[in-house]
Amino acid sequence: GENVEQHPSTLSVQEGDSAVIKCTYSDSASNYFPWYKQELGKRPQLIIDIRSNVGEKKDQRIAVTLNKTAKHFSLHITETQPEDSAVYFCAASRSNFGNEKLTFGTGTRLTIIP
Amino acid sequence: DTAVSQTPKYLVTQMGNDKSIKCEQNLGHDTMYWYKQDSKKFLKIMFSYNNKELIINETVPNRFSPKSPDKAHLNLHINSLELGDSAVYFCASSQGAGMNTEAFFGQGTRLTVV
Repeated sequence: GENVEQHPSTLSVQEGDSAVIKCTYSDSASNYFPWYKQELGKRPQLIIDIRSNVGEKKDQRIAVTLNKTAKHFSLHITETQPEDSAVYFCAASRSNFGNEKLTFGTGTRLTIIP
Repeated sequence: DTAVSQTPKYLVTQMGNDKSIKCEQNLGHDTMYWYKQDSKKFLKIMFSYNNKELIINETVPNRFSPKSPDKAHLNLHINSLELGDSAVYFCASSQGAGMNTEAFFGQGTRLTVV
């Protein structure tokens, strides 16, 4: 089955600086890579996703890159703000006609230092 | 209107008891899931149902029995609760059926077994 590794487990950055979180996956058939943000005591929510036919996607201060050959993908947050503090999860999934499941990484606790 | 709702939000119970968590989604999705989030924040899939049919059972003890009366509901019944069952349980739904899309999570049920 799929195995997703995520690094680092904790990350502290000064407000205004950039943050990068990296993930690797094992199943070369995985073709969907979402990122979820979970604030304290809240549910995980999708912030950005990328599919295997795209190498990079950007949405305002958030960007995701995908390297299919190396089987890794990264989340980039620029101009970080205090509200970016949360736990971030990467995930991977493969299309399987009703048998899809998201395999999550172990999470990164991001702390933005004012 | 809440897209994925689960009840109760908090559940405190003694070892050996049997309890249920209910989940409903009003998104018209075909696939529903149960995820377990432990104290280290690891999000691990337990079950997946597609159109009321069990698709994924990730080696969960048979004390856990999911039931899907229709594709909008997926309930989780747990028999003979153990201390190690203490965790936050998240219900989620997605379009599924070959379409890797966003998974929407419920607000979570914090189960504490004492």
